[in-house]
Amino acid sequence: EVQLVESGGDVVQPAGSLRLSCAVSGFTFGDYWMTWVRQAPGKGPEWVATINPDGSERYYVDSVKGRFTISRDNAKNSLYLQLNSLRAEDTADYYCARYFRAETPYYRLDCWGQGTLVTVSS
Amino acid sequence: DIVMTQTPLSLSVTPGQPASISCKSSQSLLFGDGKTYLYWFLQKPGQPPQPLIYAVSSRFSGVPNRFSGSGSGTDFTLIISRVEAEDVGIYYCMQSVQFPLTFGGGTKVEIK
Repeated sequence: EVQLVESGGDVVQPAGSLRLSCAVSGFTFGDYWMTWVRQAPGKGPEWVATINPDGSERYYVDSVKGRFTISRDNAKNSLYLQLNSLRAEDTADYYCARYFRAETPYYRLDCWGQGTLVTVSS
Repeated sequence: DIVMTQTPLSLSVTPGQPASISCKSSQSLLFGDGKTYLYWFLQKPGQPPQPLIYAVSSRFSGVPNRFSGSGSGTDFTLIISRVEAEDVGIYYCMQSVQFPLTFGGGTKVEIK
């Protein structure tokens, strides 16, 4: 069974930092592009960042560039999101999701974690 | 960035009746490999988005066949042939032809 389990969400003050983790199981993690998507309270989903299988390519939404860093450890079957210089508008549920693998590039975002809540507040 | 526009904002449907949601993109979602990278998700309260449709018209594994997608280029439609009580929630379209990935504003489906 495919599982993605996020952790690391917390209440943090503006300008603070957090590291989110996503532990995966049930599939060959190193074959997949992976993605973080967030959802602010009462709003729709917003794509945050994507990383390729070997970590050499990373893409970010403009609003987090220079502040957030996506990374992965294929040996540990884990995806990460480092959040720095946090702002109130970063308050959201953060979901990790399996993006796609090379053999089926159009079969995207088929599995999601349950999310971890980040609250930025003084 | 590609803007995704969904209509209507909300829909109230009698069980057993059909429902249709429109999604329009500001640019073509057709990629060089011939695939169109348009997706549909359903989000229920307190849950992550659950995938319904990929590449315009293919159902993800386990999705009931009452859900179907159609369209091309910049104009897309999700149809629920016979709405059931469990179909309530917010439906989102999303494009992944280019970064940033972008979602539509959502369509809330309720049961009459």
